[in-house]
Amino acid sequence: QKEVEQDPGPLSVPEGAIVSLNCTYSNSAFQYFMWYRQYSRKGPELLMYTYSSGNKEDGRFTAQVDKSSKYISLFIRDSQPSDSATYLCAMAQPAGTALIFGKGTTLSVSS
Amino acid sequence: DGGITQSPKYLFRKEGQNVTLSCEQNLNHDAMYWYRQDPGQGLRLIYYSQIVNDFQKGDIAEGYSVSREKKESFPLTVTSAQKNPTAFYLCASRNVETQYFGPGTRLLVL
Repeated sequence: QKEVEQDPGPLSVPEGAIVSLNCTYSNSAFQYFMWYRQYSRKGPELLMYTYSSGNKEDGRFTAQVDKSSKYISLFIRDSQPSDSATYLCAMAQPAGTALIFGKGTTLSVSS
Repeated sequence: DGGITQSPKYLFRKEGQNVTLSCEQNLNHDAMYWYRQDPGQGLRLIYYSQIVNDFQKGDIAEGYSVSREKKESFPLTVTSAQKNPTAFYLCASRNVETQYFGPGTRLLVL
């Protein structure tokens, strides 16, 4: 079993839709959870960061962590064509160890 | 303006040649990382350094070398031993909680 599993998609939605992106993981020691957005031929951009369990909201984006189920989600409300990108989940144990990344989900939002 | 810079944006390597990719950060982060990204394969860790003058191999270190002489700088050398170097290379730095990436260098083989 891989440490982090992420559905690669592609996921296609119409403009204005609510998008749900998900990752599952196997290592219960993970404490830091991140979501990155990567446009084609660009470096990943940090979108959301969560420590331990709970929800975090930033504008149209909401990140959820459910440690009991080992499941994290990123919700995008009122999706826009500019949200079309690859979304990477990442997680880490404490003490500065390397992040473990999912392989990314490609999202396409059509106008 | 704080962040991570990588240069060059594009790099061409000839057969048998070593090339060096630059990565500089002014975020005052201790930890720095190099990743390789190929289509459909996600990010793969090449090398990382958690402190100056110390670094560890990642999952795919063969054919690569690094140095960490300054906190701000973590250059990656792609040696002639790396037989398939064509990829998008990403440098990152991290504090305790979050990690930030540079804009990347695309390496192509002539």
